[in-house]
Amino acid sequence: EAQVTQNPRYLITVTGKKLTVTCSQNMNHEYMSWYRQDPGLGLRQIYYSMNVEVTDKGDVPEGYKVSRKEKRNFPLILESPSPNQTSLYFCASSKYPPETQYFGPGTRLLVL
Amino acid sequence: EDKVVQSPLSLVVHEGDTVTLNCSYEVTNFRSLLWYKQEKKAPTFLFMLTSSGIEKKSGRLSSILDKKELFSILNITATQTGDSAIYLCAVEAGGRGSTLGRLYFGRGTQLTVWP
Repeated sequence: EAQVTQNPRYLITVTGKKLTVTCSQNMNHEYMSWYRQDPGLGLRQIYYSMNVEVTDKGDVPEGYKVSRKEKRNFPLILESPSPNQTSLYFCASSKYPPETQYFGPGTRLLVL
Repeated sequence: EDKVVQSPLSLVVHEGDTVTLNCSYEVTNFRSLLWYKQEKKAPTFLFMLTSSGIEKKSGRLSSILDKKELFSILNITATQTGDSAIYLCAVEAGGRGSTLGRLYFGRGTQLTVWP
């Protein structure tokens, strides 16, 4: 089954404790992207990747890191999480251009 | 400064009504405009528009792009309660001198359809 998986789905953590949210797709897509969604603000792009070893900043990259060492995986790293990073995070993938993006189920993060 | 502006932000209608959702944009090196529907989970793709004046249609939903006036509309006819969702508009920008794949989303229109 074609899908994008994210783990964990829910996470409660404390300020400053490094965490990684994994994202994996099984569709051999070149394009992958991370978004955060906050009430009233829609989706905002954090980072995206056009292919392996190619990543670029989106709207709100501060406080986040990504890597694309393999085509199928695109982890999101929060080196020192802060409460303003409490949000719902989506990973997505597609062939390029990003037409029919397949979204993962979302990761709900709470930073205390 | 918002590059993609959706209106209205919220809309409540009764089943059977027709609705028009608006999306205006201002980005450099426009490539495409995308519409998504989001219920209580991840967004799902509806349409991609790249050319002016060509209507995309899927059942009761249709969308059109005006590249001269920099906007798009999403029409839903004979609305049903299952159409209740957030509708998101996104614009991909990129091209010569700019990075491809950059997506700008609007804040979404929350549509509620009452029975």
